[in-house]
Amino acid sequence: KQEVTQIPAALSVPEGENLVLNCSFTDSAIYNLQWFRQDPGKGLTSLLLIQSSQREQTSGRLNASLDKSSGRSTLYIAASQPGDSATYLCAVRRDNYGQNFVFGPGTRLSVLP
Amino acid sequence: DTEVTQTPKHLVMGMTNKKSLKCEQHMGHRAMYWYKQKAKKPPELMFVYSYEKLSINESVPSRFSPECPNSSLLNLHLHALQPEDSALYLCASTRGGLKEKLFFGSGTQLSVL
Repeated sequence: KQEVTQIPAALSVPEGENLVLNCSFTDSAIYNLQWFRQDPGKGLTSLLLIQSSQREQTSGRLNASLDKSSGRSTLYIAASQPGDSATYLCAVRRDNYGQNFVFGPGTRLSVLP
Repeated sequence: DTEVTQTPKHLVMGMTNKKSLKCEQHMGHRAMYWYKQKAKKPPELMFVYSYEKLSINESVPSRFSPECPNSSLLNLHLHALQPEDSALYLCASTRGGLKEKLFFGSGTQLSVL
């Protein structure tokens, strides 16, 4: 059974810092991994999608990497801003159950002005 | 149009009521999902429709009844719910291929009294 964990569970940083969020998964048989952002009481916004054959994806100040063999992904946020405060979730698409995505519990990020 | 639209945004219902949640997308996506999310927890998959046919039912109680009238519309019919069913209900969609991005709506916050 695929299990996804995220470390840390919560993170508080001053504005301007670079930071790394971690996502680990137990079964390397995945199609892809997606990072999402969620504001309280709202839906999930897709940030980056990395296919299993890719090593990284970049969008603006965000960079996500994937090491499928070791079951790890990181989300790097450069020059953090208070508007980045949210919960960040990763989700893997399972190789043997294609329609399903398995979500991690999320990292709650607070960026202090 | 890159949106998944959910209505209503908020819903309060009694345990004897019947209500429906609605989800609509006009991106030509052929897979549509219902997720349930409790506070500070990741989304939990409930149902998946693929090409308008129910492909996954994650052992959801029969008081939740999904319906996919056409390729753009997904409903979730609610009847005789319990207070523990109070949660954020999220609709999502993908194009249908295994490498595609998952798009979420903004959710319906449901309270069962």
